[in-house]
Amino acid sequence: AQSVTQLDSQVPVFEEAPVELRCNYSSSVSVYLFWYVQYPNQGLQLLLKYLSGSTLVKGINGFEAEFNKSQTSFHLRKPSVHISDTAEYFCAVTMKTSYDKVIFGPGTSLSVIP
Amino acid sequence: KAGVTQTPRYLIKTRGQQVTLSCSPISGHRSVSWYQQTPGQGLQFLFEYFSETQRNKGNFPGRFSGRQFSNSRSEMNVSTLELGDSALYLCASSDDRLGSPLHFGNGTRLTVT
Repeated sequence: AQSVTQLDSQVPVFEEAPVELRCNYSSSVSVYLFWYVQYPNQGLQLLLKYLSGSTLVKGINGFEAEFNKSQTSFHLRKPSVHISDTAEYFCAVTMKTSYDKVIFGPGTSLSVIP
Repeated sequence: KAGVTQTPRYLIKTRGQQVTLSCSPISGHRSVSWYQQTPGQGLQFLFEYFSETQRNKGNFPGRFSGRQFSNSRSEMNVSTLELGDSALYLCASSDDRLGSPLHFGNGTRLTVT
């Protein structure tokens, strides 16, 4: 079975500062990794995904994430945040080799302070 | 393409009643998944349907059920509602390629009183 840990439940950061949201996963098989964002009163939107290949993945809105197999991590970064980045961020994982469910982490609430 | 549509957006029910939520996936998507989102438990997987068959199931009691129609539209039903069933219920669709991302609707907010 897979599991996802997001160590920081809340991250406050000043506008235009860099931010890193941490994600670690546990799995006995190879996995696909995703980051989703949820704005208030909305569903989740895909930010980026890692399927294979380059470990540095670029997504929408200036976000990027790096897959580290040895540390089983997939941290999300942005060099300069905007007020509009205030939202809930979810890391997710699913197995590579079968049509299994997608497991989500508990989420990190990012608050950008003006 | 139109996105995932969930109806209704808001619902208020009384304990003991039952409720049916509806989800229309993105055109061409044959997989539909349902999640329950609460502040305490986060996003919990309920079940996934593909081509009218339940392909995956989460750890919810039998009061929670679902189905999928031949046009890929899906419904989920909760019987004998409990206060703890109050949550945002999210539906997501995807195409049938391994690693395809989920596309979410805006959810149905269910309040049980």
